[in-house]
Amino acid sequence: KNQVEQSPQSLIILEGKNCTLQCNYTVSPFSNLRWYKQDTGRGPVSLTIMTFSENTKSNRRYTATLDADTKQSSLHITASQLSDSASYICVVSAGGSYIPTFGRGTSLIVHP
Amino acid sequence: DGGITQSPKYLFRKEGQNVTLSCEQNLNHDAMYWYRQDPGQGLRLIYYSQIVNDFQKGDIAEGYSVSREKKESFPLTVTSAQKNPTAFYLCASSNFLQGNYGYTFGSGTRLTVV
Repeated sequence: KNQVEQSPQSLIILEGKNCTLQCNYTVSPFSNLRWYKQDTGRGPVSLTIMTFSENTKSNRRYTATLDADTKQSSLHITASQLSDSASYICVVSAGGSYIPTFGRGTSLIVHP
Repeated sequence: DGGITQSPKYLFRKEGQNVTLSCEQNLNHDAMYWYRQDPGQGLRLIYYSQIVNDFQKGDIAEGYSVSREKKESFPLTVTSAQKNPTAFYLCASSNFLQGNYGYTFGSGTRLTVV
């Protein structure tokens, strides 16, 4: 069964600090992995998308990494801002499948 | 700009009523999806549609119905058979034929039973 596990479930950091969120998956055959940011009461917004051959991808202060051998991904947030407070969702798609597998998300709170 | 639009943003339903949530996309995506999100939980798939006039049940289809008469539109009806409809509903679309890239979400509809 395809699964996506995210850790930690929640995280509290001070403004300006860095943090790293983790995503482990057992989706096969792997097609692509996305990280989304979801603000409270809003729809998820895509941050990055990576395929099998990509190890790192950046989007402003967000850097995602992918290790296809260990089936792990991380999302690193640099110099956090109050606006980074949100849920971050890891989504993995299998080749040939219409339905991606979603993680439960990591809730990030950035305090001033 | 291309995107996916859900309406209304907030919806209140009396017990025993059916309500319909709208989802429209102008991204020329072939596939569309409906998800339900409850507090502290991940997204759960209700229905999805690969092409016009065809749709498939997801994990929690009971009490819901959909139609796909146009490529751009995928409305969701929450029927009176859905015992606990209060939730946040998200519509999404994707270009499956291009490797399912561009998996895009709408801004959501919050449904409350009163």
